[in-house]
Amino acid sequence: GAVVSQHPSRVICKSGTSVKIECRSLDFQATTMFWYRQFPKQSLMLMATSNEGSKATYEQGVEKDKFLINHASLTLSTLTVTSAHPEDSSFYICSATRKNTEAFFGQGTRLTVV
Amino acid sequence: SQKIEQNSEALNIQEGKTATLTCNYTNYSPAYLQWYRQDPGRGPVFLLLIRENEKEKRKERLKVTFDTTLKQSLFHITASQPADSATYLCALRMDSSYKLIFGSGTRLLVRP
Repeated sequence: GAVVSQHPSRVICKSGTSVKIECRSLDFQATTMFWYRQFPKQSLMLMATSNEGSKATYEQGVEKDKFLINHASLTLSTLTVTSAHPEDSSFYICSATRKNTEAFFGQGTRLTVV
Repeated sequence: SQKIEQNSEALNIQEGKTATLTCNYTNYSPAYLQWYRQDPGRGPVFLLLIRENEKEKRKERLKVTFDTTLKQSLFHITASQPADSATYLCALRMDSSYKLIFGSGTRLLVRP
């Protein structure tokens, strides 16, 4: 199956700083990439849809200025959590999809804001 | 309101038995229904996809059924093994976009 690499797998940052998470599709060009957030024992909640070369589409309730998404190429999307606070601590997961196929997920990033 | 429901209680079964997990949804008309496996601290891994016009799909020890009238999918693992222990997520995809909407998952524990 296709490989999606997400980096870093874990990050601890101080409150008020920004953190960038990368999502790369290693062996295919992703039509679309998605960013999810998951709290313990809960479902994956879609945050935004990212298309190469265009602005991301955010789900209702997700702050665009807090979670900056850049999709510079067909193989790379980044999520930047700006001015992070402890309530932003969560598990962030990206996925990439080719047309009419299943989604391939990254390994996830555990963000802890202290 | 729109909901996807999976049994929140863990399913605990003996090795060798068949595990059956349920996914029910309301107020959606998905074109596809997918099942994923998620291990702790990891991203989901795709298992099976079934289309709205399909009743059943199989892959090795896995079987998925899809009843659009009942708005329900069943996911079966036959001859279960301790290595099958994980959380299993169902996800709906509408025809108009590639977005996936996930259920909360059911944790499966297979005892040796």
